[in-house]
Amino acid sequence: AQSVAQPEDQVNVAEGNPLTVKCTYSVSGNPYLFWYVQYPNRGLQFLLKYITGDNLVKGSYGFEAEFNKSQTSFHLKKPSALVSDSALYFCAVRDGGYSTLTFGKGTMLLVSP
Amino acid sequence: DTGVSQDPRHKITKRGQNVTFRCDPISEHNRLYWYRQTLGQGPEFLTYFQNEAQLEKSRLLSDRFSAERPKGSFSTLEIQRTEQGDSAMYLCASSLQGWEKLFFGSGTQLSVL
Repeated sequence: AQSVAQPEDQVNVAEGNPLTVKCTYSVSGNPYLFWYVQYPNRGLQFLLKYITGDNLVKGSYGFEAEFNKSQTSFHLKKPSALVSDSALYFCAVRDGGYSTLTFGKGTMLLVSP
Repeated sequence: DTGVSQDPRHKITKRGQNVTFRCDPISEHNRLYWYRQTLGQGPEFLTYFQNEAQLEKSRLLSDRFSAERPKGSFSTLEIQRTEQGDSAMYLCASSLQGWEKLFFGSGTQLSVL
């Protein structure tokens, strides 16, 4: 079975400060890891993915994520937060042997001016 | 691309009625997914199609739920004898086989009274 945990319901950060949104996963095979973002009244949008290769992956809107196999984590990061980054962020995992994604429950990111 | 479109955006129905939702994927995408999302939770996988073949169904999907993709293009999700517990946002997504990025529609919000 595959699962994802997002331990924080909400993350608050001031504009200009670095942000981290945490994600840990569990799979039996090789993990395919993803971050999606959901803005109000809009569908989920893909941010970035890790399949293989460099542990630090870069994605849309200046976001990046670091894959850590030993800690089974895939935390989302951004060096300098913007107010417009405020949204709901979902981590998702797929076991390499399966075709469907399992999503975490989401973390609300609030960036204050 | 014109994006994934879902219809209707909102549906209010009485318990026991049948409802049907439609999803039009991005035209060249051969994979189509249905997810369900409730407040405070991440999307939960329901079923997916590759072309017209339904390849996987979640154990969450009761016999009251049926999905079709008759010509490998648009898809419909029908819920028979709706229950209050069916109230949720129903999300459709599409992708190209082998391409890990899902494109989501804005969803259909179902309220069962």
